[in-house]
Amino acid sequence: SQQGEEDPQALSIQEGENATMNCSYKTSINNLQWYRQNSGRGLVHLILIRSNEREKHSGRLRVTLDTSKKSSSLLITASRAADTASYFCATLHGGSARQLTFGSGTQLTVLP
Amino acid sequence: NAGVMQNPRHLVRRRGQEARLRCSPMKGHSHVYWYRQLPEEGLKFMVYLQKENIIDESGMPKERFSAEFPKEGPSILRIQQVVRGDSAAYFCASSQGTENNEQFFGPGTRLTVL
Repeated sequence: SQQGEEDPQALSIQEGENATMNCSYKTSINNLQWYRQNSGRGLVHLILIRSNEREKHSGRLRVTLDTSKKSSSLLITASRAADTASYFCATLHGGSARQLTFGSGTQLTVLP
Repeated sequence: NAGVMQNPRHLVRRRGQEARLRCSPMKGHSHVYWYRQLPEEGLKFMVYLQKENIIDESGMPKERFSAEFPKEGPSILRIQQVVRGDSAAYFCASSQGTENNEQFFGPGTRLTVL
């Protein structure tokens, strides 16, 4: 399977609840980045976590990284209907490769 | 403070025609990446360019696809003799090329091949 697999593939929650999405990858990374994509739109960069970091916060977002398990999680607290979107993790690997490797995404639906 | 710009936003072509997709990176960015997104899937890397140079084209099909980033003007992704399977959203991203390589994405071009 490809690098950067997210789970679940789809998640539906009520407004105000927390949403947790997970991402796993296979090879060592330089950093891991989370993006949001609204239906039919471009990607919005949410947060970047370096390989030597374990946790990072930005507003209602909390990202963790466990390099021993090659996994990351994105937590959105107090979700809003406007958070409805697809969320992708993307990994930047070491060495000369400069492209991001994306997972297949988690479709989050927040019900009002 | 313009972000990454792509045009056209939507492009319709018949089988066998050529498609040209343009990308202007953010100001100060000299690294450009093209990605393709099929419906319900994540983005797949195609090609990485710096001014006048293709650095990595390992994700780009060997035939019919080409990319350039001239000294002046936008980066161009060109698809010759399009087929229905080329229908997808094509995203361009740019970066400063720093160690973190934070990439900023354009709104994409949605190509539909009839």
